[in-house]
Amino acid sequence: NAGVTQTPKFRILKIGQSMTLQCAQDMNHNYMYWYRQDPGMGLKLIYYSVGAGITDKGEVPNGYNVSRSTTEDFPLRLELAAPSQTSVYFCASTPSDSNQPQHFGDGTRLSIL
Amino acid sequence: TQLLEQSPQFLSIQEGENLTVYCNSSSVFSSLQWYRQEPGEGPVLLVTVVTGGEVKKLKRLTFQFGDARKDSSLHITAAQPGDTGLYLCAGVRNKLVFGAGTILRVKS
Repeated sequence: NAGVTQTPKFRILKIGQSMTLQCAQDMNHNYMYWYRQDPGMGLKLIYYSVGAGITDKGEVPNGYNVSRSTTEDFPLRLELAAPSQTSVYFCASTPSDSNQPQHFGDGTRLSIL
Repeated sequence: TQLLEQSPQFLSIQEGENLTVYCNSSSVFSSLQWYRQEPGEGPVLLVTVVTGGEVKKLKRLTFQFGDARKDSSLHITAAQPGDTGLYLCAGVRNKLVFGAGTILRVKS
């Protein structure tokens, strides 16, 4: 049982480039989340989804986009990478609502230079 | 400004010492979760506290939820090097709100 799988683990981008961070879960969870973690700032919610075809903004959505075409996958898209988006990105999932304990992936460390 | 304030931000202690980490807010939460995160990995849930005044024990770890459900504490007895990591509290208010975390280093 893999749980939540994130790829890639590391990536360096140039300013203005685009990329997609992949997240997949095999637990049949309905809810999925994207967070960014910056030193001393904790985890900030970027986007979340309560089921396939449904997404909504979190606390810090600017500069990001998401889609949820299947229950398993929840990719995060950066269209025009900026240095402020240098961070560690975590994907998480819960069975049915955000009150439940979250299952996290191991993160993607992204540097924008 | 963090909705959930964790203190201290960083703690370095010797093996065998006791410590307490605090998680405070002016807001009420329906429940509160504690996570532990190791370098290169995602946070892993330690415990959820739900009832005001609740105390939960997990081996050498004791978690307490304040009576007013605005604050929580984590006490570790006889800390070991394996306890080293980032400890995060997260309050439930519609969505999960995370504190900034306490970095704990236990030296042998």
